[in-house]
Amino acid sequence: SVLLYQKPNRDICQSGTSLKIQCVADSQVVSMFWYQQFQEQSLMLMATANEGSEATYESGFTKDKFPISRPNLTFSTLTVNNARPGDSSIYFCSSSEGVGTEVFFGKGTRLTVV
Amino acid sequence: GDSVTQTEGLVTLTKGLPVMLNCTYQTTYSPFLFWYVQHLNEAPKLLLKSSTDNKRTEHQGFYATLHKSSSSFHLQKSSVQLSDSALYFCALRGSGGSNAKLTFGKGTKLSVKS
Repeated sequence: SVLLYQKPNRDICQSGTSLKIQCVADSQVVSMFWYQQFQEQSLMLMATANEGSEATYESGFTKDKFPISRPNLTFSTLTVNNARPGDSSIYFCSSSEGVGTEVFFGKGTRLTVV
Repeated sequence: GDSVTQTEGLVTLTKGLPVMLNCTYQTTYSPFLFWYVQHLNEAPKLLLKSSTDNKRTEHQGFYATLHKSSSSFHLQKSSVQLSDSALYFCALRGSGGSNAKLTFGKGTKLSVKS
């Protein structure tokens, strides 16, 4: 299994500011993903974080709004730029060890934009 | 693209009764199906997984059988407990190697009452 450590656990930020969320894995992992979840709703895949290259974004998510870095196989950051109240949600980093294996999740970062 | 359908948004039951949460999927690839459970203010955790047709998989009293002929992976439990109250997500990983996306259904909220 993989343990993922996210920080911060929660944050409150002003509209128009930026917030960076960090995710650290306890071992090297091939795949890292970022998900967004609104209150008691489904998890939406935002992007796949690729080591040493640009992230692959899903429809509705852009690199200008949500830049993602992954400098090595254990670390990734998600930035929320120009935060708006509509960005208030929980952000999860996740990873897996292979195609048929489960996807593990960090504890999430609860963001409130005021 | 891949899709997962969960038809029940909310299921309310009295403890001790059986439950079945529906999950159907669509993919053009050989599927890996998962059930994740998310308790309040926690990260999703794997409950069950399967890629084997017509084989029942069980964990913590929950069970499911992948039926490729009907593209289904329904979650069942014979006797629900108060602690089973949570969000349940069916999820699908299709092909795509290690970066294969995990696609979630909309989720079913299970509320168990005494």
